[in-house]
Amino acid sequence: DTEVTQTPKHLVMGMTNKKSLKCEQHMGHRAMYWYKQKAKKPPELMFVYSYEKLSINESVPSRFSPECPNSSLLNLHLHALQPEDSALYLCASSQDGTSYQETQYFGPGTRLLVL
Amino acid sequence: AQSVTQLDSQVPVFEEAPVELRCNYSSSVSVYLFWYVQYPNQGLQLLLKYLSGSTLVKSINGFEAEFNKSQTSFHLRKPSVHISDTAEYFCAVSVRNNDMRFGAGTRLTVKP
Repeated sequence: DTEVTQTPKHLVMGMTNKKSLKCEQHMGHRAMYWYKQKAKKPPELMFVYSYEKLSINESVPSRFSPECPNSSLLNLHLHALQPEDSALYLCASSQDGTSYQETQYFGPGTRLLVL
Repeated sequence: AQSVTQLDSQVPVFEEAPVELRCNYSSSVSVYLFWYVQYPNQGLQLLLKYLSGSTLVKSINGFEAEFNKSQTSFHLRKPSVHISDTAEYFCAVSVRNNDMRFGAGTRLTVKP
């Protein structure tokens, strides 16, 4: 099974809402990633977890809060977002994040619209 | 800092024509390069990667890329494209553990 699943597929939220994005993989990977992709742009790295510990935080605003409850699950908690946060949010996983050579496997993404 | 540059933002071609999507990298150390494809409304899928060894790497769907150290390039080629190859193609470089940086992307549009 080489699949990374993400829920929900689409999300519309107001600026005062709190919502969460979920990501799951069953490949035994120990590194998981959140990316943000604006329209017609490449993905931008937000957070990386390796062995359930946050290893990279690319200066993301605190209104985005990641959580890795176990090695298979990754959440992104959203609170007080701005319209400019509207984007496709991609989750990915890789073996364990300890090598430059690892392939990252991506989920289909959650398309978020902030009104 | 390591980075990749994709020279063409859009490449329109006719079906069954050959195509080349260009990618140049900047790096002063060992480099690990990837090509990912993103079909409309989907996530990214790995096409192929260069880690070491043979400089010509191939994917299962007919794409190939050649690592050229002297020209610092990793261009993606296919001798005959299909309508189904229409997608966004991203070149990427691994800059450190856990960290991969993408080029701006090339939109390949295959016309009948």
